[in-house]
Amino acid sequence: SQQGEEDPQALSIQEGENATMNCSYKTSINNLQWYRQNSGRGLVHLILIRSNEREKHSGRLRVTLDTSKKSSSLLITASRAADTASYFCATDEDYNQGGKLIFGQGTELSVKP
Amino acid sequence: DTGVSQDPRHKITKRGQNVTFRCDPISEHNRLYWYRQTLGQGPEFLTYFQNEAQLEKSRLLSDRFSAERPKGSFSTLEIQRTEQGDSAMYLCASSRPGTGTYEQYFGPGTRLTVT
Repeated sequence: SQQGEEDPQALSIQEGENATMNCSYKTSINNLQWYRQNSGRGLVHLILIRSNEREKHSGRLRVTLDTSKKSSSLLITASRAADTASYFCATDEDYNQGGKLIFGQGTELSVKP
Repeated sequence: DTGVSQDPRHKITKRGQNVTFRCDPISEHNRLYWYRQTLGQGPEFLTYFQNEAQLEKSRLLSDRFSAERPKGSFSTLEIQRTEQGDSAMYLCASSRPGTGTYEQYFGPGTRLTVT
């Protein structure tokens, strides 16, 4: 079963604009991860934020986590056409971490040149 | 580091046939995961191994599905008596959580079409 819900389901922006995707989940987690998937391919890990962290940056990516609201957001700044992909949040709720990931339904991002 | 590989990349089979997929994880990764993904959805967990031990199985994994990782290296996922509802992308991933890193590295997937 899928835990997370992502919003919006689809997002279309112009190159250079920022893209924000939101994720909500239902249970307590150890960490939350974001992955990118280009059409018909495997997933690529982008960033991980632990349950005791509130914000994390990696290059043009900024992730926030609000455990009280059970939500996270992914911001991609200065988007590029190459950022066009589906983005998924995934939660790790295993007691010892490193167990299964529970994925959201994803946000399909289209960046127009 | 050659990444996670999966074979075959595509499989078309007739309903009722058996199929087997293979996954080769990153060599030093002791955990291996199988997920299934249908069009427009996120991946759904099926099962995972730590070395050769199968630690967890999803309720999605009916008795027609079996997974093995006999020597703690590569893994196979077999589906017996395939049904049209089994059509999906089957993704394999590996990780090495003992090092304090919990991200999973995914293979390209095996796309199964049951006709």
